[in-house]
Amino acid sequence: QVQLVQSGAEVKKPGASVKVSCKASGYTFTSYDINWVRQATGQGLEWMGWMNPNSGNAGYAQKFQGRVTMTRNTSISTAYMELSSLGSEDTAVYYCTRAGSPVHNWFAPWGQGTLVTVSS
Amino acid sequence: DIVMTQSPDSLAVSLGERASINCKSSRSLLYSSNNKNYLAWYQQKPGQPPKLLIYWASTRESGVPDRFSGSGSGTDFTLTISSLQAEDVAIYYCQQYYSTPPWTFGQGTKVEIK
Repeated sequence: QVQLVQSGAEVKKPGASVKVSCKASGYTFTSYDINWVRQATGQGLEWMGWMNPNSGNAGYAQKFQGRVTMTRNTSISTAYMELSSLGSEDTAVYYCTRAGSPVHNWFAPWGQGTLVTVSS
Repeated sequence: DIVMTQSPDSLAVSLGERASINCKSSRSLLYSSNNKNYLAWYQQKPGQPPKLLIYWASTRESGVPDRFSGSGSGTDFTLTISSLQAEDVAIYYCQQYYSTPPWTFGQGTKVEIK
């Protein structure tokens, strides 16, 4: 079955960077975009950006421009999201999710989430 | 950016009764070339990632119970749970995927048992 498995929880200090991985299985990794969505505790869903695993092209929400980088390693079917200059407001659960079709971006499935805590 | 606004923010419904959640977009999500509405619905239970329920505004994802249905077109959409079950307690989100990013979500609607 199609599955996305994310790396474990992280604790980072303000100003540091974090890199979250998302390993895909059960489908052809290069055929569907990977998107990243985050959710602060008790808050809603915030889309961060997309990455095309075939080309490596990525696009980011304006809020994260200059601070986020989405990459991939096709040999191990894994996508990555790196966020730099962390602040307390970046404390959240980060999800990777696959586009629902090769050309349309509803999201299914979702990874289990990675909690990133930013604290001094 | 397309703004998605859900109503209500929360609702309490008796078991077996109907629950309806509204989602309004700041621009039409209907693509004239294929007559499809670029709108999805998700369910999120505590401690879990969101789960896709519906896409194309009314197409149920495989395995989703048929008590869940989506309707609407253009800028106004509704998710209906025809007969609320205990396991349907969750937060529900709409999301637009029209044209180009950014993809945006509604703020969420919390459904509880009355």
